[in-house]
Amino acid sequence: AQSVTQLDSQVPVFEEAPVELRCNYSSSVSVYLFWYVQYPNQGLQLLLKYLSGSTLVKGINGFEAEFNKSQTSFHLRKPSVHISDTAEYFCAVSGGNQGGKLIFGQGTELSVKP
Amino acid sequence: DTAVSQTPKYLVTQMGNDKSIKCEQNLGHDTMYWYKQDSKKFLKIMFSYNNKELIINETVPNRFSPKSPDKAHLNLHINSLELGDSAVYFCASSQGLGFAGGIETQYFGPGTRLLVL
Repeated sequence: AQSVTQLDSQVPVFEEAPVELRCNYSSSVSVYLFWYVQYPNQGLQLLLKYLSGSTLVKGINGFEAEFNKSQTSFHLRKPSVHISDTAEYFCAVSGGNQGGKLIFGQGTELSVKP
Repeated sequence: DTAVSQTPKYLVTQMGNDKSIKCEQNLGHDTMYWYKQDSKKFLKIMFSYNNKELIINETVPNRFSPKSPDKAHLNLHINSLELGDSAVYFCASSQGLGFAGGIETQYFGPGTRLLVL
């Protein structure tokens, strides 16, 4: 069975500071990894995804994530956050003939303060 | 044009009622999904359909019945609503490969906020 753990439920940070949102996964098969963002009262939007190849993945809005197979992690980073990055961030995993099912982590609320 | 749309956006109803939520996608995708987001923002898949065929049915009470009249629509009908059904329901779609899928990006609708009183 696959599972995802997001290690921080809330991350407060000041504007222009760097941020890292942590995600660990568990799976017995090869996985595909995703980060989605949910702005208040909206649906989810894909930030980036790892399917194969380079372990450093760049996404939209200046975010990037690094896939680390040995540590089963897929942490999301941004070198300088903006107020507009305030949102809920979800790490998700799929793969292994699961019919496209996304298994989500519990979410991390990123709160950017001026 | 909205890629994945859901109606209604808000739904307030009494316990025991039957209600439906509609979802439409204009992306030409083959696979559609329903997810439930609870009050703690935890997201869990409920169903998926590929070309009108049920692919995933995740231990959801049989009061929930998805219906896919064509591959652009996936509606969710809920019978005998209970307090615990209060949640945000998200529809999503992807250019999936059915059972072997998983690499495709899923595009989410704006959600339907259901409140059962």
